[in-house]
Amino acid sequence: EPEVTQTPSHQVTQMGQEVILRCVPISNHLYFYWYRQILGQKVEFLVSFYNNEISEKSEIFDDQFSVERPDGSNFTLKIRSTKLEDSAMYFCASSEGGASGGPRDTQYFGPGTRLTVL
Amino acid sequence: KQEVTQIPAALSVPEGENLVLNCSFTDSAIYNLQWFRQDPGKGLTSLLLIQSSQREQTSGRLNASLDKSSGRSTLYIAASQPGDSATYLCAVRPESGAGSYQLTFGKGTKLSVIP
Repeated sequence: EPEVTQTPSHQVTQMGQEVILRCVPISNHLYFYWYRQILGQKVEFLVSFYNNEISEKSEIFDDQFSVERPDGSNFTLKIRSTKLEDSAMYFCASSEGGASGGPRDTQYFGPGTRLTVL
Repeated sequence: KQEVTQIPAALSVPEGENLVLNCSFTDSAIYNLQWFRQDPGKGLTSLLLIQSSQREQTSGRLNASLDKSSGRSTLYIAASQPGDSATYLCAVRPESGAGSYQLTFGKGTKLSVIP
């Protein structure tokens, strides 16, 4: 069964460094998302991406974050200058797209990348 | 702003028992509701998705119901097994407008099934 994959599974970085988290969504999906989960907290939406542009972003997704689909298979989240509070599990998700043209379907999540900022 | 609450936060049951997990949401203008399973340190596995026009969905031993007008959903697990031990999350998607692409999650119910 197709699945969303993410690399690396764990990333350790120093505060102020840039990190890139990588995701390969399910191949026929059109909508891509990043969420994060701080330890012990709820899963929170960061950004959605469709047709090579951001569809929506939350208040968390400020100027230090960016997303990109550099080729036909990868979807990346870049954090420009990491802070201690960026330590979290980051989940990538994708959905197929409904008949109406919107992302009206089940979102499938990857296994996550645990980011630790020291 | 949508708020999703799950009660109880944790639940421990003996193997074989039937159980119900609860999810409530403050804004009834939802498009769908999705139940997920999360194992420790792992990703989210989608279990069931209920459209706002549906009352329930079933998959194997799992049955999810939705009462949109009262802002409630339940996940019923029949004949629980130790392998069902995990955290169960519910998440809602709004009907339309700003935020319609994103899921809003509850904090989850941590289920332990004792052999």
